[in-house]
Amino acid sequence: QSVLTQPPSASGTPGQRVTISCSGSNSNIGTNYVYWYQQFPGTAPKLLIYKDNQRHSGVPDRFSGSKSGTSASLAISGLRSEDEADYYCAAWDDSPRGWVFGRGTKLSVL
Amino acid sequence: QVQLVESGGGVVQPGGSLRLSCAASGFTFSDHAMHWVRQAPGKGLDWVAVISYDESKTYYADSVTGRFTISRHNSKDTLFLQMNSLRGDDTAMYYCTKGDGWTGTAGFDFWGQGTMVTVSS
Repeated sequence: QSVLTQPPSASGTPGQRVTISCSGSNSNIGTNYVYWYQQFPGTAPKLLIYKDNQRHSGVPDRFSGSKSGTSASLAISGLRSEDEADYYCAAWDDSPRGWVFGRGTKLSVL
Repeated sequence: QVQLVESGGGVVQPGGSLRLSCAASGFTFSDHAMHWVRQAPGKGLDWVAVISYDESKTYYADSVTGRFTISRHNSKDTLFLQMNSLRGDDTAMYYCTKGDGWTGTAGFDFWGQGTMVTVSS
């Protein structure tokens, strides 16, 4: 299965807005929904955004998702120190049939 | 609330087998697709397999096709992963995840805490 492309790292200062990109192809992001996950060290991932731009229950509205063509983005506004974590995008791929993840983006809050 | 509790991990020799289980509660298990996702130490997330709500459809990552089998027991709210011919690159934390719909295309909305599988001689 192919892998979605994310930047390995991103950073920002408290209060800033940061975006994390996720690039795919017509067979995954281009035709299927994108999901975003947050993971802290030593813990299981948690869903942030589902179906491109829907916030999961309990997720602050500082987090938002968008998609255009074969690329998607996660935006975090009003950055906080507790947002420092790894972020992954994921999508179903029609060919070959299965799920693909990005390699993850480590977000640092400076 | 949704709870997913994995079990069955451990240390196994290359070529050996393990069967992982995931006990689900807090939702109608038989209405949802279920997935296994793994994460090697220090690495990213790697999707393994999915089974539809009624067991009619299963899909696997290329890396495990022919070696792993996903199954479910809807009357007992339990998901399984039978892993055979294990290799060193199968070493990972294995997470049970709930699909947000019926079919394999349903993304993962809740995750268990994981069970560690180590393949080593």
